[in-house]
Amino acid sequence: DAGVIQSPRHEVTEMGQEVTLRCKPISGHDYLFWYRQTMMRGLELLIYFNNNVPIDDSGMPEDRFSAKMPNASFSTLKIQPSEPRDSAVYFCASRVQGSYEQYFGPGTRLTVT
Amino acid sequence: GIQVEQSPPDLILQEGANSTLRCNFSDSVNNLQWFHQNPWGQLINLFYIPSGTKQNGRLSATTVATERYSLLYISSSQTTDSGVYFCAAQNAGGTSYGKLTFGQGTILTVHP
Repeated sequence: DAGVIQSPRHEVTEMGQEVTLRCKPISGHDYLFWYRQTMMRGLELLIYFNNNVPIDDSGMPEDRFSAKMPNASFSTLKIQPSEPRDSAVYFCASRVQGSYEQYFGPGTRLTVT
Repeated sequence: GIQVEQSPPDLILQEGANSTLRCNFSDSVNNLQWFHQNPWGQLINLFYIPSGTKQNGRLSATTVATERYSLLYISSSQTTDSGVYFCAAQNAGGTSYGKLTFGQGTILTVHP
C-alpha cells in the first residue's frame, strides 16, 4: 500500500521563479495537509483540505503561496514568485475521516537561491 | 492554540542505554502522535496515542491525557535510533480542528 507521495524530492530554483510542489495522498483519505519545516519555526501547518475543499489556510505565509486540490488524489502547493526565505522542507500529509492519525510524505526540500 | 513542549532538547546516549522523552501539551487533545525524523529527513510515524500506553518493539509510549503529557520510552538504544523525535498534538476543540501542532523536537544521538 503506497504512502503519501510527493514530488519532486528536491528542488533548486532561482529567486523570482515559480515553484510547484505536488502531493498524492493515500487512497481513500479525506484530509490533506501541507506543512513547512524550517530551522527557525520548526514544523508548521500551512493549509489543509477536507474532501478537496480548503478548510484552514491561516498558516499560508503570504499571497505568493497558493494551494489547490482539483481532485481527491492530487494537490499542489505553488509559490510565485519564490524568495530565498521560502527555502525549507515542505511535507504533505493525509488522514482518513474518523481517525485523527496523520501520515506524512517524504517531503520536498526546496532551495531558492 | 495548543502549546506543545518537548524535553530534553537534546540527548546523547551510549548504545544499549534507555531513555525517556517527554511531551507536555496545554489543552485537551484528540490526537497525539510521536514521530522520528531520520537523517534523510523523513517523518516516520511511531505512535498514535491520544491516551493510554502502546508498545512497538523497543519503543513504547504513554499518554496521560488528564495530566496533559506524553512519554516516549526507548530501550536498549541503537545507533539507528539517532535523529529528531517530534511530538505533535491536535486540540480536541476550539477553532484548530484538524491542525497538528508540533513540538520543537528532541535531538537524540546514540554513540556506538
